[in-house]
Amino acid sequence: QQQVKQSPQSLIVQKGGISIINCAYENTAFDYFPWYQQFPGKGPALLIAIRPDVSEKKEGRFTISFNKSAKQFSLHIMDSQPGDSATYFCAASMKTSGSRLTFGEGTQLTVNP
Amino acid sequence: DGGITQSPKYLFRKEGQNVTLSCEQNLNHDAMYWYRQDPGQGLRLIYYSQIVNDFQKGDIAEGYSVSREKKESFPLTVTSAQKNPTAFYLCASSHPSGIGETQYFGPGTRLLVL
Repeated sequence: QQQVKQSPQSLIVQKGGISIINCAYENTAFDYFPWYQQFPGKGPALLIAIRPDVSEKKEGRFTISFNKSAKQFSLHIMDSQPGDSATYFCAASMKTSGSRLTFGEGTQLTVNP
Repeated sequence: DGGITQSPKYLFRKEGQNVTLSCEQNLNHDAMYWYRQDPGQGLRLIYYSQIVNDFQKGDIAEGYSVSREKKESFPLTVTSAQKNPTAFYLCASSHPSGIGETQYFGPGTRLLVL
């Protein structure tokens, strides 16, 4: 019930294309859903986050879509650029577990020039 | 410069040896965390601490120990009981943001077994 399932494991997109990464969760008590971006050899950094009371959040080229009834959320990267090539992690947490995050397995995104 | 520092960047462990990974933050965050990252497995929580002098086990605490004597510091010891310690170790700290608790990560320590 604590798991967050992420897909695909790897993704190759052409420059200018749309990258889509999906996550699914079981525990309906989760109430905070961040996405992290990690470059090789570096620590992850927060990219964008959403709460379940909204269905979409957009920041620049990055959008989270949230489907509460399906218990799924996804990251869309519009106009993907080679500099977006990184590993992306979805995560979830709930108030009752403090600030503990449960992470998905990660998606390695490659954007070809 | 505010942030999280981890040292060393690379660490080598011999059989039967305990090693300690350092994590320091000057962000004045109350909560700190240690994660282990293995290829294809995401980040797994080892230990976390929400206040000084208190810490809780995460999902994979066996073979690891921590202390939290100061707000700024949260060292992780990988003991000889951890039979497969080769991994990338990440320290994080957090504070409440607008919609949730934002975790900030350090640059990581890569532990290798000799």
